[in-house]
Amino acid sequence: AQSVTQPDIHITVSEGASLELRCNYSYGATPYLFWYVQSPGQGLQLLLKYFSGDTLVQGIKGFEAEFKRSQSSFNLRKPSVHWSDAAEYFCAVGATGTASKLTFGTGTRLQVTL
Amino acid sequence: DTGVSQNPRHKITKRGQNVTFRCDPISEHNRLYWYRQTLGQGPEFLTYFQNEAQLEKSRLLSDRFSAERPKGSFSTLEIQRTEQGDSAMYLCASSSERREQYFGPGTRLTVT
Repeated sequence: AQSVTQPDIHITVSEGASLELRCNYSYGATPYLFWYVQSPGQGLQLLLKYFSGDTLVQGIKGFEAEFKRSQSSFNLRKPSVHWSDAAEYFCAVGATGTASKLTFGTGTRLQVTL
Repeated sequence: DTGVSQNPRHKITKRGQNVTFRCDPISEHNRLYWYRQTLGQGPEFLTYFQNEAQLEKSRLLSDRFSAERPKGSFSTLEIQRTEQGDSAMYLCASSSERREQYFGPGTRLTVT
């Protein structure tokens, strides 16, 4: 069975500082990987995805993530955080071949201080 | 592309009542998914459809829950005899074959 671990429940960064959110997955083969962002009371917005190919993927809002097979990780990064980035971030894994259900981590809440 | 829409956005009901939620996917997407999200947790998969066929159901989907997608377009999720433990955000998502899922705004259910 697939699973996702987001070890950081809550992270606080200053506006303009760099950001890295950690994600580790468990899956028997190369998975499909995703990062979503959720503002309070809202649905999830897709930030970026990895299906295959280049292990460094670019997403919206200046985010990027790197797939590291050896570490079973897919960490999300942003070089300079904006106050509007404050939200909950979810990493998710999907099974290759079928791309059916997604399994999500428990999320990391990002707080940005001015 | 108008995105995935869900109605209602909020529902308050008394324990024991039945509720039904609707999801309208992105028009060209043939796959539709339902997830449930409780406070402080990530979404958990409930079920998914490819066109009108329900292909997978989670064990979270007790016999009080039923989902339909009669014409392969919109979908409904019904909860019978609601319990306080059913209080959650119910999220719908859609996708093309083997592609990323796009989520709707969710329906927040409160069972009193």
